[in-house]
Amino acid sequence: AQSVTQPDIHITVSEGASLELRCNYSYGATPYLFWYVQSPGQGLQLLLKYFSGDTLVQGIKGFEAEFKRSQSSFNLRKPSVHWSDAAEYFCAVGFDSWGKLQFGAGTQVVVTP
Amino acid sequence: EAGVAQSPRYKIIEKRQSVAFWCNPISGHATLYWYQQILGQGPKLLIQFQNNGVVDDSQLPKDRFSAERLKGVDSTLKIQPAKLEDSAVYLCASSRQTEQYFGPGTRLTVT
Repeated sequence: AQSVTQPDIHITVSEGASLELRCNYSYGATPYLFWYVQSPGQGLQLLLKYFSGDTLVQGIKGFEAEFKRSQSSFNLRKPSVHWSDAAEYFCAVGFDSWGKLQFGAGTQVVVTP
Repeated sequence: EAGVAQSPRYKIIEKRQSVAFWCNPISGHATLYWYQQILGQGPKLLIQFQNNGVVDDSQLPKDRFSAERLKGVDSTLKIQPAKLEDSAVYLCASSRQTEQYFGPGTRLTVT
């Protein structure tokens, strides 16, 4: 069965430090891959997506993600975190052509001064 | 362009009551999704429409939940009767192709 795993429920990072959020999936082929961010009381905002091609993708707000087929992973990174990056981050995977997404459980990011 | 609109933003009801949520997708988006997001979890797809037809409703509890998308634009999600475990945020999303755009959600509390 298809699955999406975000191993880290909660991450605390200092402002200015780097951030990496992990996402692993289980699927027999290469799915569509997304990262969304959700601030309190807000809907989900798309940070970046991967469909095919270059495995390093750039997104909004200075985020990037790298697709590694051998590890079935799509980890999100940011070189220097800002206080406004405190939010919950969701990895989502599309397993079919209809656009249906399966979300991971999310990683809560706390940014300390 | 205007984003996905949802109303109400908040709703508190007692168990066994009914409730309805409304969603207006982005203009021109043929696909509309309803998700349930329970606190501490990722969104879970309840139902997906392509225009006014249902593509996937495999995870919709059909004994109490119903949804419609008349005329292929606006959509309504209804719960009748509500249970305590229905407390969640209900998110609506729409897409033209593979990228989904989400509304702000409706936070439902069932007491």
